[in-house]
Amino acid sequence: QQQVKQSPQSLIVQKGGISIINCAYENTAFDYFPWYQQFPGKGPALLIAIRPDVSEKKEGRFTISFNKSAKQFSLHIMDSQPGDSATYFCAASRRTSGSRLTFGEGTQLTVNP
Amino acid sequence: DAMVIQNPRYQVTQFGKPVTLSCSQTLNHNVMYWYQQKSSQAPKLLFHYYDKDFNNEADTPDNFQSRRPNTSFCFLDIRSPGLGDAAMYLCATSSNLDQPQHFGDGTRLSIL
Repeated sequence: QQQVKQSPQSLIVQKGGISIINCAYENTAFDYFPWYQQFPGKGPALLIAIRPDVSEKKEGRFTISFNKSAKQFSLHIMDSQPGDSATYFCAASRRTSGSRLTFGEGTQLTVNP
Repeated sequence: DAMVIQNPRYQVTQFGKPVTLSCSQTLNHNVMYWYQQKSSQAPKLLFHYYDKDFNNEADTPDNFQSRRPNTSFCFLDIRSPGLGDAAMYLCATSSNLDQPQHFGDGTRLSIL
């Protein structure tokens, strides 16, 4: 019930392409869904987050799509750049019971020049 | 202008020798968290402080302890490190339990 499944495990995209990472959750009580970006040797950095009352949120080249009925959410990176190469983690939490984040397994994204 | 600062960035200790990792924050956040992240894995929450209240995760080994002497500082103590404790240790903060978490850059711990 607490798991968040993330796919793919690794992704290679050409510069300018669209990167898509998917996550699925089981616990319907989750009400906060952030995405974190992590570069080697660095801590995770909050990229974008969504709450279940909206189906999409866009910030620059990054968009979260959220499907409440399917219990799925995804990160789309438009016009992917080599500087986007990093590991991306989706996460979910239930804010009313504290901010314990349940992370997905991570996706290693490589954007080729 | 780092807001969550972890020291040292790299720490080497011997098997069984106690080690302390430190975290400081300039955000004046109420909540501080410690995560363990092993290679190619997601961060795993060890415990968190909400102000002075300590909250341990059920599966955190007794070998791991924490102290928060004031709002700005939080320490992770590993009493008797084993080889399996080699990992990146991440500190994070949030202004409240329902607010986004901000991570430091971690301390990479090696065990000899």
